[in-house]
Amino acid sequence: DTGVSQDPRHKITKRGQNVTFRCDPISEHNRLYWYRQTLGQGPEFLTYFQNEAQLEKSRLLSDRFSAERPKGSFSTLEIQRTEQGDSAMYLCASSLGVPITDTQYFGPGTRLTVL
Amino acid sequence: GESVGLHLPTLSVQEGDNSIINCAYSNSASDYFIWYKQESGKGPQFIIDIRSNMDKRQGQRVTVLLNKTVKHLSLQIAATQPGDSAVYFCAEKAAGNKLTFGGGTRVLVKP
Repeated sequence: DTGVSQDPRHKITKRGQNVTFRCDPISEHNRLYWYRQTLGQGPEFLTYFQNEAQLEKSRLLSDRFSAERPKGSFSTLEIQRTEQGDSAMYLCASSLGVPITDTQYFGPGTRLTVL
Repeated sequence: GESVGLHLPTLSVQEGDNSIINCAYSNSASDYFIWYKQESGKGPQFIIDIRSNMDKRQGQRVTVLLNKTVKHLSLQIAATQPGDSAVYFCAEKAAGNKLTFGGGTRVLVKP
């Protein structure tokens, strides 16, 4: 399967701990996106990369959140000093980067639970 | 789209009937729209898309209609099957590359 993959699928942590999630995009896709989804709602944009450059960040992305895509392939999303409000599904998506009809394909997500 | 929290609108449909899911989008500058299907515990799955210069697009058993005048998008599923049971989201893209998602509709297919 050459779709978007995410690891881990589930993470349970205690408040105050740091967590890191990984996303591997579809291999020929040069854009990579992170979204957050809480129960019963649609995904909310967090940030996106064009190759290794982080081009846009939502104001949802507080200074406790950092994302990287060092070689323009996989990406990591780190949350420092986790809070209970960080509990959510973290989704990664990737796209080719074509004008206008740039379909984003999503991975299975990482479900984070902060106790 | 408007968030409805934990209480998603639900469409109950008999197996074999057609389903219509509606979505109101917010930005008149949006130039691209996508419908996603999301099953429990999984990421959103692409169903069909449409550009703003079109008003209808058909796929396999699915049709998307776009009415820019009233900023309305709909997804029609023909001959709904049990495997179509899921939450459906519309998403819009304006300037930039982020998607803005609507609140979602749960479809329950009754055998």
